Amino acid sequence: ETGVTQSPTHLIKTRGQQVTLRCSSQSGHNTVSWYQQALGQGPQFIFQYYREEENGRGNFPPRFSGLQFPNYSSELNVNALELDDSALYLCASSPGSLYGYTFGSGTRLTVV
Amino acid sequence: AQSVTQLGSHVSVSEGALVLLRCNYSSSVPPYLFWYVQYPNQGLQLLLKYTSAATLVKGINGFEAEFKKSETSFHLTKPSAHMSDAAEYFCAVENYGGSQGNLIFGKGTKLSVKP
Repeated sequence: ETGVTQSPTHLIKTRGQQVTLRCSSQSGHNTVSWYQQALGQGPQFIFQYYREEENGRGNFPPRFSGLQFPNYSSELNVNALELDDSALYLCASSPGSLYGYTFGSGTRLTVV
Repeated sequence: AQSVTQLGSHVSVSEGALVLLRCNYSSSVPPYLFWYVQYPNQGLQLLLKYTSAATLVKGINGFEAEFKKSETSFHLTKPSAHMSDAAEYFCAVENYGGSQGNLIFGKGTKLSVKP
């Protein structure tokens, strides 16, 4: 069991740029979710993928998009970065909700 | 819609004292409830989960939580605090209105442990 791995760990981008964050889940974890955690706040649900299809989305604009691949890896893409996008982005995967969700250590994104 | 309220953004206890972190939920259906811990600059680690089996749930590191439907509460406790318990703790409920994997988190409670 290798856990959930996220890359990069830290990233600095300029306002208006685009960014791609990556997540590698455990084998058999067909569900992956992405969360945004602003400083001092709880994580906020961005969206979820199940077997490579988006099947749930939180209150985030379309410039937040994602992909899930057959090898249990996934991506979060954010276009037209804004200063308020600065946050810790967390990936979580699960083989099923009864088992809970395994979180990665996150990517700290800073937009300047 | 489901929601979670954590009472107290900061809790401070002495080493060896009881830890009590409060969580109240709102849900129109039987909820799945979770407690996660987050150490500085790290992701979230699952402490324990309630999925409609036993109401007293035991987790890792000596933590436990009791589901009380009448009080809509899921408070986290540990009989004796250790310095290594200092961290931020998040209560979460699974959102049935969305899809599997959609957790709604509280704002967190930062636990400090004094020697």
